[in-house]
Amino acid sequence: QSALTQPPSASGSPGQSVTISCTGTSSDIGVYNYVSWYQQHPGKAPKLMIYEVSKRPSGVPDRFSGSKSGNTASLTVFGLQAEDEADYYCNSYADSNKWVFGGGTKLTVL
Amino acid sequence: EVQLVESGGGLIQPGGSLRLSCAASGFAVNSVYMTWVRQAPGKGLEWASVIFSGGNTYYADPVKGRFTISRDNSKNTVYLEVSSLGSEDMAVYYCARDNSGWALDYWGPGTLVTVSS
Repeated sequence: QSALTQPPSASGSPGQSVTISCTGTSSDIGVYNYVSWYQQHPGKAPKLMIYEVSKRPSGVPDRFSGSKSGNTASLTVFGLQAEDEADYYCNSYADSNKWVFGGGTKLTVL
Repeated sequence: EVQLVESGGGLIQPGGSLRLSCAASGFAVNSVYMTWVRQAPGKGLEWASVIFSGGNTYYADPVKGRFTISRDNSKNTVYLEVSSLGSEDMAVYYCARDNSGWALDYWGPGTLVTVSS
């Protein structure tokens, strides 16, 4: 299975909004609503931010929002804060009981 | 409180084998699906393997035939046996728990596998 496609970097100023895209295929994102997003700070384990395309786990700020259209999922961070600076990875269930991650996007808060 | 702690990583020669462990607390490992994800130095996350609550196991193509996932319910521990290791397997290996929404809500701190002669 091939990795999902994410832009390598994204940036925004504090208070602004930024959207990170994640493009897959008709074998993963396009057919399943099992897209999740993870935040990873340097040297730390990933943290679940969004699951099932748009659901937020308890404790995740509502500034984080997920959506999907066709083969592309998106993560939008509203009202950027300094602590949002991190790497973000999308993930999707794919065919044959496998999962696939995106290559990751480094979010910089200017 | 849910906790996952990996162990068993270390320096291993090319072609060697290791058994990684993931000790869980706060829930039963046989009640959810458990996943191993790896991350090569400076690289992204890579899904490696899963064991379902019913015991079925699945692997990513790069590790199929070389890695084996299993669990010991009495010890509440999940294992990943890794063999025929090459430089491409050098990574931090994380175990993670399914949140019943086909996503991974708890992760361990990871264990580093270094492949070098």
